[in-house]
Amino acid sequence: DGGITQSPKYLFRKEGQNVTLSCEQNLNHDAMYWYRQDPGQGLRLIYYSQIVNDFQKGDIAEGYSVSREKKESFPLTVTSAQKNPTAFYLCASSGSGTGVSYNSPLHFGNGTRLTVT
Amino acid sequence: GDSVTQMEGPVTLSEEAFLTINCTYTATGYPSLFWYVQYPGEGLQLLLKATKADDKGSNKGFEATYRKETTSFHLEKGSVQVSDSAVYFCALRLPFYNQGGKLIFGQGTELSVKP
Repeated sequence: DGGITQSPKYLFRKEGQNVTLSCEQNLNHDAMYWYRQDPGQGLRLIYYSQIVNDFQKGDIAEGYSVSREKKESFPLTVTSAQKNPTAFYLCASSGSGTGVSYNSPLHFGNGTRLTVT
Repeated sequence: GDSVTQMEGPVTLSEEAFLTINCTYTATGYPSLFWYVQYPGEGLQLLLKATKADDKGSNKGFEATYRKETTSFHLEKGSVQVSDSAVYFCALRLPFYNQGGKLIFGQGTELSVKP
């Protein structure tokens, strides 16, 4: 079955360490997104990529970095510069090529819960 | 700017009760509108969508109608079940030329259904 795989499900790190969250999709989607979810809040966009080797900052990119070397993969690194990294991180993807409109939904992975102490 | 506002939760209902979760939006142009559901510890699942004014999205007994005149997309279900307990998110999607076609979410409404 096609879908989005995020790993690991739970991640624990010490303050000051960088950590990388994995996101892989086999939906053949061009566009991929990273969102952050905090308790009782909606989701906020961190970074997005519409095509391989290109990505753009979202609303809360400070302290995060990404890469998009393959269509299937969009890893997120939470750096030590991120002041409040403890959160639930969700990766999503969507088609964005010719013939695909923004009527299409985003497909989400099951998330990674990061705890930094 | 573009935004989505949902009614605050938590909402607690008895099984078989009628559900309404209000959602209003502010957007330039004509966004697509979505409802997503999130079960504890999981990602978001698409519940339904509507892409133009007066469209009605429906799935699993849930319905929502895209009302351009009131900029609303309220979620309804005639008879809720315990298994409907989850957090519900209303969202709008921007065109691809606008921040890559990102989704803008409301803050979510937690629904708890008691037997």
